[in-house]
Amino acid sequence: KAGVTQTPRYLIKTRGQQVTLSCSPISGHRSVSWYQQTPGQGLQFLFEYFSETQRNKGNFPGRFSGRQFSNSRSEMNVSTLELGDSALYLCASSSGQGGGNTIYFGEGSWLTVV
Amino acid sequence: AQSVAQPEDQVNVAEGNPLTVKCTYSVSGNPYLFWYVQYPNRGLQFLLKYITGDNLVKGSYGFEAEFNKSQTSFHLKKPSALVSDSALYFCAVRDRVASGANNLFFGTGTRLTVIP
Repeated sequence: KAGVTQTPRYLIKTRGQQVTLSCSPISGHRSVSWYQQTPGQGLQFLFEYFSETQRNKGNFPGRFSGRQFSNSRSEMNVSTLELGDSALYLCASSSGQGGGNTIYFGEGSWLTVV
Repeated sequence: AQSVAQPEDQVNVAEGNPLTVKCTYSVSGNPYLFWYVQYPNRGLQFLLKYITGDNLVKGSYGFEAEFNKSQTSFHLKKPSALVSDSALYFCAVRDRVASGANNLFFGTGTRLTVIP
């Protein structure tokens, strides 16, 4: 069974631009969540989608948004990029919400803002 | 509020020796606890989790972790370290009370170096 797939793996953007990252969850998984990883802030939760609805949101500005499609694939968008948005963005999926469900992570998308 | 503490930024251990990576947590209710490992330029790999039951949890690659409710700890252990175990290890918690919220709260990570 294929794991969580994220594209693109690496990208460089200029300040002020926007970026869209894509995530395909493990087959059968309906919950997709996104995390940002930086050396300074560590791993921080961005948001979670389940059945195309945002169920939970972390403490990030409105420039960060996401969506989930009917096939459970998800995208996240960051508008008006800032230098501080440079990070590894990790997508994760699980079969259900909450509880003891294991969350499986993808390899991440490395975003560099210049 | 949920939080996780990994008190050691760096742990060095000789190959073949036992290793321990420490984790303490704080949640309002009973926790779900997880350990993940991250190799350079890679995502997080799931190692093991504690849901309920036996306090000693066995996971991938020979790792195990012991849940201690009184000390609110969930230390990761391995009887004999391998050089290939060198990586960044993250402890994470999800509050059982906040069921339905799927997000994990992560510690700051511990870099494990196994010395040949």
